[in-house]
Amino acid sequence: DTAVSQTPKYLVTQMGNDKSIKCEQNLGHDTMYWYKQDSKKFLKIMFSYNNKELIINETVPNRFSPKSPDKAHLNLHINSLELGDSAVYFCASSQGRRTSFHEQYFGPGTRLTVT
Amino acid sequence: DAKTTQPNSMESNEEEPVHLPCNHSTISGTDYIHWYRQLPSQGPEYVIHGLTSNVNNRMASLAIAEDRKSSTLILHRATLRDAAVYYCILRDGAGGTSYGKLTFGQGTILTVHP
Repeated sequence: DTAVSQTPKYLVTQMGNDKSIKCEQNLGHDTMYWYKQDSKKFLKIMFSYNNKELIINETVPNRFSPKSPDKAHLNLHINSLELGDSAVYFCASSQGRRTSFHEQYFGPGTRLTVT
Repeated sequence: DAKTTQPNSMESNEEEPVHLPCNHSTISGTDYIHWYRQLPSQGPEYVIHGLTSNVNNRMASLAIAEDRKSSTLILHRATLRDAAVYYCILRDGAGGTSYGKLTFGQGTILTVHP
């Protein structure tokens, strides 16, 4: 059973397009995250939702909009894609209350290539 | 965010112990020390975490210095499957606005030789 799944695994698109990446977790966790790993392999958090509420919103362009329809899903929609958006995007989840956010489970990643 | 410093790379032989160091001299009293690893073409994977005391689990051991300004991840018998990038991360456990935020550094690339 896949704990954290992402679709699609690969996404190739042209500049200016709008695309979405979906994430689902079947662990019963109440917190989900989106991370971006760039070509230099640096992994940075973008967003986090706790019980469908946005709790972390790093300095990310407004073109990126996360949506959490329920606790098990956190989707990432990207408008007007740019070359610099090319990266691997990882979804993660954890179970936590305010001071108990320990183990995060990561998905396999979505490799986005913007041409 | 408090910063961690790790060697860029380390090498080990299979079935030998590996000690991966991490310096975090600006650690605060509420910071947890987390270790994650990322195998090639995969998402990061939780390894272990601790606050003050040494910790053991099925994957590894975490040795924390008494002043908490450094820690060491110990893989007792390295296997080829342990070749990965290992990240030492400080996570604010005081709650507030951090909410589980993990700030990844560059990590240590571990190469395991057969």
